Amino acid sequence: RKEVEQDPGPFNVPEGATVAFNCTYSNSASQSFFWYRQDCRKEPKLLMSVYSSGNEDGRFTAQLNRASQYISLLIRDSKLSDSATYLCVVNDGGNTPLVFGKGTRLSVIA
Amino acid sequence: DAGVIQSPRHEVTEMGQEVTLRCKPISGHDYLFWYRQTMMRGLELLIYFNNNVPIDDSGMPEDRFSAKMPNASFSTLKIQPSEPRDSAVYFCASSHNRGRMNEQFFGPGTRLTVL
Repeated sequence: RKEVEQDPGPFNVPEGATVAFNCTYSNSASQSFFWYRQDCRKEPKLLMSVYSSGNEDGRFTAQLNRASQYISLLIRDSKLSDSATYLCVVNDGGNTPLVFGKGTRLSVIA
Repeated sequence: DAGVIQSPRHEVTEMGQEVTLRCKPISGHDYLFWYRQTMMRGLELLIYFNNNVPIDDSGMPEDRFSAKMPNASFSTLKIQPSEPRDSAVYFCASSHNRGRMNEQFFGPGTRLTVL
């Protein structure tokens, strides 16, 4: 059973484009949601948390739909430096570990 | 501030050999996690510790894998004997106890190749 599913991509977009990723999670009791970013041959790093009401951090907007059990990440005005793999992450409640999706690869092209 | 430190960064070994991976978490963090990442399976949790005590090792693939955390600043992951299918990047991560294990800080990883 895949707990967190993501489209692996790659998404190849030109600079300045808007791109959106979605992911779905299987456990309706999941309580915390995040997007992590992983550069090639590097470790994952927290990009942003995802709140129920949706939240924005500069060019990045995260949304959560609990009814449909999906999370989205929108990147506006893509930069070359946004090229990375974006990991969707959920926490199944309480003091339980994070569960990572396999990631969606983004390539921003000049 | 030093982040999570892992050693070695790269390890190439032959099948059957013992491999020991090392991790130093961020000072003051009371959770430590060992993950394995492959193209096929993504990032998988192997085991995690809270205050040096193993809490969940259900992700450890076989008896060939063992992990210890003798003190708050050091942990090891050992594979004995190693097999080619163990080839992967092994990450160590640590976090604060803030009610939920939210932001995890990852080390740079150990890239293991078993020939």
